[in-house]
Amino acid sequence: EPEVTQTPSHQVTQMGQEVILRCVPISNHLYFYWYRQILGQKVEFLVSFYNNEISEKSEIFDDQFSVERPDGSNFTLKIRSTKLEDSAMYFCASSPGQAPGELFFGEGSRLTVL
Amino acid sequence: AQSVTQLGSHVSVSEGALVLLRCNYSSSVPPYLFWYVQYPNQGLQLLLKYTSAATLVKGINGFEAEFKKSETSFHLTKPSAHMSDAAEYFCAVSYGSGNTGKLIFGQGTTLQVKP
Repeated sequence: EPEVTQTPSHQVTQMGQEVILRCVPISNHLYFYWYRQILGQKVEFLVSFYNNEISEKSEIFDDQFSVERPDGSNFTLKIRSTKLEDSAMYFCASSPGQAPGELFFGEGSRLTVL
Repeated sequence: AQSVTQLGSHVSVSEGALVLLRCNYSSSVPPYLFWYVQYPNQGLQLLLKYTSAATLVKGINGFEAEFKKSETSFHLTKPSAHMSDAAEYFCAVSYGSGNTGKLIFGQGTTLQVKP
């Protein structure tokens, strides 16, 4: 069964460093998303991406964050200068687009900022 | 602001007992409603969804949920729990039409199933 894959599964970084989290969505999906879950808190929407541009973003997704789909298969989330509060589990998701809210999630990338 | 509340961060049931996980949403506009499940070391997986068709929705693994507009609720049930149901369950809502993937999640409920 097709699945969304994410790398790395766990990354530890120093505050102020740049981090790139990678995702390979399901191949025929058209919509791509990043969510995050800070330990003990709710899963939160960060950004949605369609047709090579951001379609919606939350207030969390500030100038420190960016997304791109560089090669038609990978979907990346970049955090330019990490802060302690960026420590979280980051989930990538994709959807074919026909049904609202039916997302296929990856297993997540745990980011720890020291 | 739109929100989702799941009552009980942890629910423990015996194998074979009824499972009831509660979810309430706040909105004057009927939303799309979802339950996602996360098994250990896996991503979130769609369990079932309500999109304004039948109010009683059946999902995978014997789970079902009933949309009650008057109570703004979408509680998840399963008549008989199985050990393999142990997981974290998330209620979520989506608003508006179109291909929106912006979900608002509840805080999650961890289901423990005791032998």
